Amino acid sequence: RKEVEQDPGPFNVPEGATVAFNCTYSNSASQSFFWYRQDCRKEPKLLMSVYSSGNEDGRFTAQLNRASQYISLLIRDSKLSDSATYLCVVKDTGFQKLVFGTGTRLLVSP
Amino acid sequence: NAGVTQTPKFRVLKTGQSMTLLCAQDMNHEYMYWYRQDPGMGLRLIHYSVGEGTTAKGEVPDGYNVSRLKKQNFLLGLESAAPSQTSVYFCASSYASLGERELQETQYFGPGTRLLVL
Repeated sequence: RKEVEQDPGPFNVPEGATVAFNCTYSNSASQSFFWYRQDCRKEPKLLMSVYSSGNEDGRFTAQLNRASQYISLLIRDSKLSDSATYLCVVKDTGFQKLVFGTGTRLLVSP
Repeated sequence: NAGVTQTPKFRVLKTGQSMTLLCAQDMNHEYMYWYRQDPGMGLRLIHYSVGEGTTAKGEVPDGYNVSRLKKQNFLLGLESAAPSQTSVYFCASSYASLGERELQETQYFGPGTRLLVL
């Protein structure tokens, strides 16, 4: 079983749609959780951290369910510029070792 | 600030050739990392460094060596390239000091090096 699992997609949605991505992780001792965004042929960049209480950044909402070892990302009012691959990332205990999911690809069409 | 830079951007090697990938960061980060990204595999950690003069193995270190002689530079070497090392290589860096957690844990990535081994 992979440490971090994501649906690879692609998710094809029209502009303005709401889309949700899910991610599960296997290590119950994991400490920190993130969503990174990766554009085609570019490097990953931090989109947002995921806090236990849930957090929002503009159109983006991230939630964490430690009991189910589940992380989600909700994007409201999708824009064409949201088209990218979204990487679910988990930090294990101890050293800053990040474990990356394989990513979920989002395509937003006009 | 340039952030994290990598050279070269693209390289083609023949099996058995050697090469060095250079990563440089100007953010005074203590930690640096080398990852490879392959289709369907996600990013995997090759080696990392917690400071100048120190390196450690990551998840997939075989076939690679690294050096961190200066704080701002982290070199990844392939002594005898194999087709299985065809991949996109990303370097990243992060802070190590205590402080605001997100600042500490965010990794900043370079633009990547695309390597093809024939």
